[in-house]
Amino acid sequence: EIVMTQSPATLSVSPGEGATLSCRASHSINRNLGWYQKKPGQAPRLLIYDASTRATGIPARFSGSGSGTEFTLTISSLQSEDSAVYYCQQCNDWPLTFGGGTKVEIK
Amino acid sequence: QLQLQESGPGLVKPSETLSLTCTVSGGSTSSSSHYWGWIRQPPGRGLEWIGSFTYGGSSFYSPSLKSRVTISVDTSKNQFSLKVTSVTAADTAVYYCARHPPWGSLEFWGQGALVTVSS
Repeated sequence: EIVMTQSPATLSVSPGEGATLSCRASHSINRNLGWYQKKPGQAPRLLIYDASTRATGIPARFSGSGSGTEFTLTISSLQSEDSAVYYCQQCNDWPLTFGGGTKVEIK
Repeated sequence: QLQLQESGPGLVKPSETLSLTCTVSGGSTSSSSHYWGWIRQPPGRGLEWIGSFTYGGSSFYSPSLKSRVTISVDTSKNQFSLKVTSVTAADTAVYYCARHPPWGSLEFWGQGALVTVSS
């Protein structure tokens, strides 16, 4: 099973600043990685697939990078509505696995 | 636009079987081009993939749940279902159904259904 590790666990950022979230895979997953935004009471929302491709309707301030075992989600110029928990998930191999999440708080 | 909707009992007794159905509109569960899956989130915890299947193809399950989980499909109703046997309080969670391409991210999600295991 591929273990996904996210850091930091919590990130506190002022509006307008940028945020960098990290995700590490225990084995190479090529670029088979997605990033999701999860708000309380809502379904997860796919932000990024294939490590760096924005999903339909996702603002350009969200960007993804990386390959192999190291991945990054960057949120530039944070807005209040970006307050959420962000999860990475590998789809390179079964079983599908998620990281533990990074909670982004807006100061 | 593809839409998924979970339905089923919100309360299940310990040791009994949890059953949920996902109704699909705007897409077909008989498509072999996509996987249909279940994911859950226990209160205060992260997301956990339960299992996925593709019509006419393979089914895959989380190793930690494999002995208790079955995912099945009813193409005549355009629905797929989840059964989890011998439930305990640890199975209390919001359960989501979703669609994803082979080796692809979970692109479409249902709104989720809270299932509480309690006597």
